[in-house]
Amino acid sequence: GDSVTQMEGPVTLSEEAFLTINCTYTATGYPSLFWYVQYPGEGLQLLLKATKADDKGSNKGFEATYRKETTSFHLEKGSVQVSDSAVYFCALSPGAGSYQLTFGKGTKLSVIP
Amino acid sequence: NAGVTQTPKFRVLKTGQSMTLLCAQDMNHEYMYWYRQDPGMGLRLIHYSVGEGTTAKGEVPDGYNVSRLKKQNFLLGLESAAPSQTSVYFCASNFLGRSSTDTQYFGPGTRLTVL
Repeated sequence: GDSVTQMEGPVTLSEEAFLTINCTYTATGYPSLFWYVQYPGEGLQLLLKATKADDKGSNKGFEATYRKETTSFHLEKGSVQVSDSAVYFCALSPGAGSYQLTFGKGTKLSVIP
Repeated sequence: NAGVTQTPKFRVLKTGQSMTLLCAQDMNHEYMYWYRQDPGMGLRLIHYSVGEGTTAKGEVPDGYNVSRLKKQNFLLGLESAAPSQTSVYFCASNFLGRSSTDTQYFGPGTRLTVL
């Protein structure tokens, strides 16, 4: 079945450091890929998404490129802020009208001043 | 718009007790979902609904029942709670158009502890 593997955390960075959170997936067909963010005490929010190979999703300074050849969707940000401290989830949707998301286990990011 | 709301926010049960979690959305979404979140496990789908009066099993449905009597509400029931059901429960909803990439909107979660 479909699966998502993302780097284990926690990840601790200093403010203004570069962030990469790795995400790889296994799926048949042509899935859509997502990054969700969960701030402390809150539900998940969509951060960005990409629907086909080579698409780049971006939002709030975060970016991720859908790489079909490496089955990856790594999340990057050039300069993190304390307010980016959260848990980040990579997820996929199989497409073709499917309604289910498969999530990775989440990566906790802490940014220190 | 309140978005997706969940009731209650916190609950402590004893083994064998029953309870119902309520999810409500005011976005006129057809699709609704219940997930559980456990440390190191990510989110796992319990049940979902593709419209009023319909429900279906997700990845981890055992020990739970659901009902979707009204389009805006999706109820998750535990008939006989077990310690293994200690978790944070999230409800989500989305409108599924032609694309399956429509964003799922999540509620704030219900933290359930079963003693």
